[in-house]
Amino acid sequence: DIQMTQSPSSLSASVGDRVTITCQASQDIGNYLNWYQQKPGKAPKLLIYDASNLETGVPSRFSGSGSGTDFTFTISSLQPEDIATYYCQQYDNLPQLTFGGGTKVEIK
Amino acid sequence: EVHLVESGGGLVQPGGSLRLSCAASGFTFSNYWMTWVRQAPGKGLEWVANIEQDGNEIYYVDSVKGRFTISRDNAKTSLFLQMHILRAEDTAVYYCARGRWLFEYWGQGALVTVSS
Repeated sequence: DIQMTQSPSSLSASVGDRVTITCQASQDIGNYLNWYQQKPGKAPKLLIYDASNLETGVPSRFSGSGSGTDFTFTISSLQPEDIATYYCQQYDNLPQLTFGGGTKVEIK
Repeated sequence: EVHLVESGGGLVQPGGSLRLSCAASGFTFSNYWMTWVRQAPGKGLEWVANIEQDGNEIYYVDSVKGRFTISRDNAKTSLFLQMHILRAEDTAVYYCARGRWLFEYWGQGALVTVSS
């Protein structure tokens, strides 16, 4: 099974800060990686697909990059409404899917 | 507008059974793979099972194989998860989601609590 390791597990940043989350796969997954945002008590929301493609309607301050085993998710200017937990998800070895452990983003 | 609405969650004793349903609307249900994802309290997301459009391909995470059965009724645009021999570690919010590896739409979730 492919393991996805996200870091950090939590972070605290100020409004306007640049926030970066990393996701490392235990083996090469190409660009078969998605990113989701989950607010408390809500279902996850797709933000980025295929590592770097912004889902329709998602603000451009969100971005993703990377390929192979190392991926990065960035919020260019943190906003109060971005407080959430963010998850990466690989789909290279179908039918198995795995999510990262999540990164909780808080406002300092 | 796409809507996915789960139902059937609740409290069940260890070893018991429960059936979750997901009512879909706003899209052509029979054209899409459907997936169940769960989230234990305070934990991350875990893929549980998915099913191909006609129900001919079905896959499960190892921890539920032999205990859970995913199925669908395209005529009623509904997805199901029959759960047997439930364990405490199956306690979670269960989400249905549209798709096989890319989940643009999710339901609101159904809480399943396994406890005596």
